[in-house]
Amino acid sequence: NAGVTQTPKFRILKIGQSMTLQCTQDMNHNYMYWYRQDPGMGLKLIYYSVGAGITDKGEVPNGYNVSRSTTEDFPLRLELAAPSQTSVYFCASSKGYQPQHFGDGTRLSIL
Amino acid sequence: AQTVTQSQPEMSVQEAETVTLSCTYDTSENNYYLFWYKQPPSRQMILVIRQEAYKQQNATENRFSVNFQKAAKSFSLKISDSQLGDTAMYFCAFMKHPSRGGSEKLVFGKGTKLTVNP
Repeated sequence: NAGVTQTPKFRILKIGQSMTLQCTQDMNHNYMYWYRQDPGMGLKLIYYSVGAGITDKGEVPNGYNVSRSTTEDFPLRLELAAPSQTSVYFCASSKGYQPQHFGDGTRLSIL
Repeated sequence: AQTVTQSQPEMSVQEAETVTLSCTYDTSENNYYLFWYKQPPSRQMILVIRQEAYKQQNATENRFSVNFQKAAKSFSLKISDSQLGDTAMYFCAFMKHPSRGGSEKLVFGKGTKLTVNP
């Protein structure tokens, strides 16, 4: 089983560029999440989705956008990259209130 | 809003010994879940153990056990017979019960870096 797959694993962006972090899961989970992890910190929720077509903001949504057109995919979009968005990004999924399954993360540097 | 506090930024333990990681949380909820996640250098987030607040019995998973003190809002993790592979960051996390809204959102502490020495 692939579980939660994130691409790319690493990326360097220039200030002002845009990109999409991809996340897909093959477990038929209805809930999906995007977190960021800054150095020495825990994970903070950016956006989440409770099902296809439904998304909502988390704790730190500014500068990001998401969409959920299918159950499997939950891409995260950075429109105008800023140095403050340098972080490790994790996608996760869960079925109801079961524990969340995490992807391996994407390390993003903005220079 | 819920908060999770891990007061030990770093800890170390000798192989085969026992170590306890501390976690406290603040909430006005009565029904919720608590988790410990492990993040090894590979960066994966791995679920270690889960506790349901309405269950009085402390959760155990092999060498991992918790001491859940609901009144004190404390949720410590005990690792017995520590192994080199236990070296990792450990994160405590809180989640409101779905019946209370919140859509299964996790609130994480800042983590404790555990090093197991040979």
